[in-house]
Amino acid sequence: DAGVTQSPTHLIKTRGQQVTLRCSPKSGHDTVSWYQQALGQGPQFIFQYYEEEERQRGNFPDRFSGHQFPNYSSELNVNALLLGDSALYLCASSLAQGRGVYNQPQHFGDGTRLSIL
Amino acid sequence: LAKTTQPISMDSYEGQEVNITCSHNNIATNDYITWYQQFPSQGPRFIIQGYKTKVTNEVASLFIPADRKSSTLSLPRVSLSDTAVYYCLVGGTDKLIFGTGTRLQVFP
Repeated sequence: DAGVTQSPTHLIKTRGQQVTLRCSPKSGHDTVSWYQQALGQGPQFIFQYYEEEERQRGNFPDRFSGHQFPNYSSELNVNALLLGDSALYLCASSLAQGRGVYNQPQHFGDGTRLSIL
Repeated sequence: LAKTTQPISMDSYEGQEVNITCSHNNIATNDYITWYQQFPSQGPRFIIQGYKTKVTNEVASLFIPADRKSSTLSLPRVSLSDTAVYYCLVGGTDKLIFGTGTRLQVFP
């Protein structure tokens, strides 16, 4: 049973560039959330996708955007990269609430380490 | 979502039981309490989740008093590999709000 997989594991970019990170959810999950984790801090919620739509968003600028595909996989796009965007980007998947499923915990991948030079 | 308060760090020795307490005074009626473990450069790993009283699984126990304003994660007989950051979260399972967690250091 494959867990959450993310690619790439590491990435180096320069300021002003754009980046796309990818996530495949755990088998059977239909909801994908993205988090940013700066060094020494807890993960910060960016947004969540369900049924190919953004359903919740944290306090992140519009430079951060995403997409969910029909197979439930997801992409995180960041435009006009800043030095402060250097962080570990985590993807988490879960099963949507309802349909007899409640409070199922989110399962995380091991993230993409993004470094901005 | 309810704000949580945990100790910043804790030290223990191998073989000891470790209890990490989390305060969540503003927990809502429908909120669950969930604990995650995170190793450096890895994603958080789900440990345990509960709503009230006691929950136990193969790796930990979670104690929740009747007022649900706090919870205690209990790790029996820790080993060096339990050295990690432990996060307590309350709420639903949609938008998780992490604090800075508790950094547990286990010594030989």
